[in-house]
Amino acid sequence: AQKVTQAQTEISVVEKEDVTLDCVYETRDTTYYLFWYKQPPSGELVFLIRRNSFDEQNEISGRYSWNFQKSTSSFNFTITASQVVDSAVYFCALSEANTGNQFYFGTGTSLTVIP
Amino acid sequence: DTGVSQDPRHKITKRGQNVTFRCDPISEHNRLYWYRQTLGQGPEFLTYFQNEAQLEKSRLLSDRFSAERPKGSFSTLEIQRTEQGDSAMYLCASSTARSTGRETQYFGPGTRLLVL
Repeated sequence: AQKVTQAQTEISVVEKEDVTLDCVYETRDTTYYLFWYKQPPSGELVFLIRRNSFDEQNEISGRYSWNFQKSTSSFNFTITASQVVDSAVYFCALSEANTGNQFYFGTGTSLTVIP
Repeated sequence: DTGVSQDPRHKITKRGQNVTFRCDPISEHNRLYWYRQTLGQGPEFLTYFQNEAQLEKSRLLSDRFSAERPKGSFSTLEIQRTEQGDSAMYLCASSTARSTGRETQYFGPGTRLLVL
């Protein structure tokens, strides 16, 4: 079973629009960690945020914000006032405390910001 | 501050040949991971080292694949008798163990393999 689901395969927005990328996860562990990574065309995965299961506070970093809701097993990512440089594939990932050190990645959402 | 580096960045080989990739982690990181990423998919875990010990291996890591980290620093991933299905991006990541919680993995640029 897929542990991380990113239902949106591709999204296109016009520059300056806000966009939300969805991430739904599945785990039986009570302690787990969630991550978002950005993969630009160059291919290197760039770390954006880490959140543990005990910290449900939402976070804002500049134009980026994250909404963690345990009740719906979701960890959504919003980009405000999108820019062309935001165009990339975004991956959500899960790491479980009791099942080793690997990360389980979703299939990614390809975001295109149109100028 | 150097990040994770991988060499080569691209490799084209013929089916049946052996290939070897290298990963140099961030210098103070004692954990090293290999992932494989195919087109349109997220990275899939292959194996993990803590220092020189290989502690986890995925079912994806067939007997044609072998990974080493002999001195607990750089790592190599070798694929023997390559098949066209091995064509993918091979990603390396590193992290440092934390006393609590799960550390962030930092990824290298990847090695893109094409098997003809």
